[in-house]
Amino acid sequence: DAGVIQSPRHEVTEMGQEVTLRCKPISGHDYLFWYRQTMMRGLELLIYFNNNVPIDDSGMPEDRFSAKMPNASFSTLKIQPSEPRDSAVYFCASSPYSAHSYEQYFGPGTRLTVT
Amino acid sequence: GDSVTQMEGPVTLSEEAFLTINCTYTATGYPSLFWYVQYPGEGLQLLLKATKADDKGSNKGFEATYRKETTSFHLEKGSVQVSDSAVYFCALNHQGAQKLVFGQGTRLTINP
Repeated sequence: DAGVIQSPRHEVTEMGQEVTLRCKPISGHDYLFWYRQTMMRGLELLIYFNNNVPIDDSGMPEDRFSAKMPNASFSTLKIQPSEPRDSAVYFCASSPYSAHSYEQYFGPGTRLTVT
Repeated sequence: GDSVTQMEGPVTLSEEAFLTINCTYTATGYPSLFWYVQYPGEGLQLLLKATKADDKGSNKGFEATYRKETTSFHLEKGSVQVSDSAVYFCALNHQGAQKLVFGQGTRLTINP
């Protein structure tokens, strides 16, 4: 199994530009999560999906952020317009349904730098 | 709401030392508990887990016991190696949902 795949691995962009981060979850997993990691705030859950439907987006910082999951094998996180404070590592994770385990499998992350 | 508190880092030890990283939690019901590890430049990966009180999770020489009476899930290893240098996250599941609540992470550095 290839694991969770994220692209790009690194992104450098200028303030005001649109940024799109991509994620391919593990096949057969029902849940997909987007996280942001910074030194100041640690690991934050932004949004998660169940069977392609957004369940909880309370962690999305503001309207500049949007996430979609058009099918079971692909999700995007978009920032428009980007700002320097959005610089962080963004992780995607996926999880199979389980009544007890709740194990999540993380991708390698996308390091975003907004100048 | 549910929360996880880990001991403050960074933690620096010499090779072969004994390791303890403290983790306590606040949660309604009976959550499952996890330790994740993040090596430099990588995503988080599950290290061990426990799904009910008194369970002991173990992997790669690490252990943690689910203590409901003290609401704790401390991570231990008897003899650490340089390759254990990483950031360790304690987490619990949010009851009734698939999402995890993470602690702030503890950076561990092992010197040869």
